[in-house]
Amino acid sequence: DSGVTQTPKHLITATGQRVTLRCSPRSGDLSVYWYQQSLDQGLQFLIQYYNGEERAKGNILERFSAQQFPDLHSELNLSSLELGDSALYFCASSLGQGMDTQYFGPGTRLTVL
Amino acid sequence: GNSVTQMEGPVTLSEEAFLTINCTYTATGYPSLFWYVQYPGEGLQLLLKATKADDKGSNKGFEATYRKETTSFHLEKGSVQVSDSAVYFCALSDNSGAGSYQLTFGKGTKLSVIP
Repeated sequence: DSGVTQTPKHLITATGQRVTLRCSPRSGDLSVYWYQQSLDQGLQFLIQYYNGEERAKGNILERFSAQQFPDLHSELNLSSLELGDSALYFCASSLGQGMDTQYFGPGTRLTVL
Repeated sequence: GNSVTQMEGPVTLSEEAFLTINCTYTATGYPSLFWYVQYPGEGLQLLLKATKADDKGSNKGFEATYRKETTSFHLEKGSVQVSDSAVYFCALSDNSGAGSYQLTFGKGTKLSVIP
């Protein structure tokens, strides 16, 4: 158990809908990273927050957004969902914003029908 | 930009066989290197890491040495077990600017160990 929690574990929805994925980092960790794992693209970095502020963006679509709240949990919002958004979404946390080890949650499996 | 290339799988080995999974990288700075493992139906777990050239990371019988001259970080284990069956990801973390150290992953190598 990494100490990172993600909810829900599974999510099934329809095209055009909007969903919110939630992540709670390990106690004391200030950075949260979001990654997408799909069969065709592999594991890709989406976005990072550090202590409530956006720190870096990767291959994140404009339809996707995220935020980190004062209690340091983070939410990833996916809107106008398409079939191709079906994937595993992982959250990871680390102590700071430097080269600290990132610890991954169990992931949320999103299926868009 | 940064990239990680690891050997294509799947790899099938008999129990107690020697394992090598090749990983090479391209990075603009001085990256840290990682091996993560994903067991069926689970998230990623850190297996080992190395933060500078010539460092050796090791854990649970697995080893990998950070070779800057060949830009490689090959994963090895002397005697694999059935319980080692999983997908292995090589990754690097580098300062891509603005203090962010997001991970760049290889495509993963699926290992199956048969009794």
